[in-house]
Amino acid sequence: DVVLTQTPVSLLISLGGQASISCRSSQSLVHSNGNTYLHWYLQKPGQSPQLLIYQVSNRFSGIPDRFSGSGSGTDFTLKISRVEPEDLGVYYCLQRTHNPFTFGSGTKLEIK
Amino acid sequence: EVQLVESGGGLVQPGRSLKLSCAASGFTFSDYYMAWVRQAPTKGLEWVASISYDGGSTYYRDSVKGRFTISRDNAKSSLYLQMDSLRSEDTATYYCTTDGAYWGQGVMVTVSS
Repeated sequence: DVVLTQTPVSLLISLGGQASISCRSSQSLVHSNGNTYLHWYLQKPGQSPQLLIYQVSNRFSGIPDRFSGSGSGTDFTLKISRVEPEDLGVYYCLQRTHNPFTFGSGTKLEIK
Repeated sequence: EVQLVESGGGLVQPGRSLKLSCAASGFTFSDYYMAWVRQAPTKGLEWVASISYDGGSTYYRDSVKGRFTISRDNAKSSLYLQMDSLRSEDTATYYCTTDGAYWGQGVMVTVSS
């Protein structure tokens, strides 16, 4: 199975600051069709996960441009700029290139 | 507005069965692959099973293969997960999702004697 390693495990960021989360894959996430199915989610406390970024760098509907994704192959990054109180929660990466689909172990964002 | 509402969870003894349902609305159900994802208490997310638009293709993670069955009824805009031979390690909140884009609120399944 593809292992996604997320770092750091937790982040303490000041309001208005910037956060960066890394997701490294044990193998390339480039699909045979040329697409890279690496997505980012935020799970706020007591809520279901919500899709933030799909296919590395595309913001999902309604997601502000403070959220951005980048990367290729096996190394991916989620950046959150101008952190706001509603950004707190656990961030997960998900790969849907290889079966079984797998999630990273999560990064908890706390606000100072 | 896209809505996914799960039901059918509860407390069940090991070895018994349970069937989860997910009622979808606000979108054309038959246009989406659908999936179940679970989250054990205080743990991370785990993809459980997926089903294609017409139900012709299904996928299961190894730990549930042969015990769980995913199905759908496009006429009723509904997704199902039949869970047999349940184990304590199946205890989790189960989420219905449109292949990762939209998610339900989740339903709790507790397997315990």
